Amino acid sequence: GESVGLHLPTLSVQEGDNSIINCAYSNSASDYFIWYKQESGKGPQFIIDIRSNMDKRQGQRVTVLLNKTVKHLSLQIAATQPGDSAVYFCAEIVQGGKLIFGQGTELSVKP
Amino acid sequence: EAQVTQNPRYLITVTGKKLTVTCSQNMNHEYMSWYRQDPGLGLRQIYYSMNVEVTDKGDVPEGYKVSRKEKRNFPLILESPSPNQTSLYFCASSFIGSGYTFGSGTRLTVV
Repeated sequence: GESVGLHLPTLSVQEGDNSIINCAYSNSASDYFIWYKQESGKGPQFIIDIRSNMDKRQGQRVTVLLNKTVKHLSLQIAATQPGDSAVYFCAEIVQGGKLIFGQGTELSVKP
Repeated sequence: EAQVTQNPRYLITVTGKKLTVTCSQNMNHEYMSWYRQDPGLGLRQIYYSMNVEVTDKGDVPEGYKVSRKEKRNFPLILESPSPNQTSLYFCASSFIGSGYTFGSGTRLTVV
């Protein structure tokens, strides 16, 4: 069946370090992937997306890497800040526009 | 401001008392969806709608109803709420095949 999962449920990093959050997906037909950030008490917020015809996409302090061969997605956050503390979800869009979420990784940034 | 608005933000109700959670979006999105979020289970889709008068079941539709009479509104109806429907609910909308914009959430407690 369709599933998107994350390798680690929690990640703790020092402020200023780079963070890498990983995600595995199983639907090889998916062609659009999104990373969301969810802060406590709020709805998920779009961070960055990538289509399957790309391997890498960069935003402001964030980079998403897509490895279609092993069906792996990662989110890299440069110079992690306390405001980056949140739960991060990867998600894929499957046929019909449905968004399937992974379980989430909680990122904690230590000052 | 482009947004998805849910109401109420918090609701405590008793078993069996019908309730409606409203959702409205101002982005002219065709696609709208309801998710519930529970600890350890992540975000699971309840119902979705690809356009006016077109609705379909998601992964966990039991105990819920929806309607899509207008493009901007997608209410979630619990005809006879039960304690296992205590959860955090999110409405989302998008253009089909694009990333979702989420509402701020409705925390429902059924006693």
